[in-house]
Amino acid sequence: AQSVTQLDSQVPVFEEAPVELRCNYSSSVSVYLFWYVQYPNQGLQLLLKYLSGSTLVKGINGFEAEFNKSQTSFHLRKPSVHISDTAEYFCAVSETAGSARQLTFGSGTQLTVLP
Amino acid sequence: NAGVTQTPKFQVLKTGQSMTLQCAQDMNHEYMSWYRQDPGMGLRLIHYSVGAGITDQGEVPNGYNVSRSTTEDFPLRLLSAAPSQTSVYFCASSYRRNTIYFGEGSWLTVV
Repeated sequence: AQSVTQLDSQVPVFEEAPVELRCNYSSSVSVYLFWYVQYPNQGLQLLLKYLSGSTLVKGINGFEAEFNKSQTSFHLRKPSVHISDTAEYFCAVSETAGSARQLTFGSGTQLTVLP
Repeated sequence: NAGVTQTPKFQVLKTGQSMTLQCAQDMNHEYMSWYRQDPGMGLRLIHYSVGAGITDQGEVPNGYNVSRSTTEDFPLRLLSAAPSQTSVYFCASSYRRNTIYFGEGSWLTVV
């Protein structure tokens, strides 16, 4: 079985500062990795995903993430945050094998950007 | 999230009542699923379907039924609502592996 750990439930940061949201996973098989963002009272929007190839993945809104297989991590970064980045962020994994496409989610990290 | 439509968006139920959350997608996706979101727990898979006529249980299936009579629709039924089912429910669909689209969510309160 796979699992996802988001180490920080809340991350406050000042506007224009850099931010890193941490995500670690465990799985006995190869996985795909994802970051989703959820704004208040809205659904989930895909920020970026790692399927294969380059371990540095760039997504929307200036976010990027790096897949580190040896450390089983997929941390999300942004060099300079804006007030509008305030939201909850979810890391998720799915197995590469098999026909099903279930996602296993972390518990989420609330990013609050302060003026 | 164009393409995956959930109704209703908000619902209040009394304990013991039944209801159906509707989910429809117009992208001809083979795979559909239902998740529930609870504070501090992320999203957990309730049921999923890999095609019309095929459904299976996810991580938290108890208290919920699903069916998939068409490719487009994947309703989630609560047979006898309980306060523990107060949650936000998300429907999702995908065609190619790992391009997953979520609906806007349905906020359910059971009193």
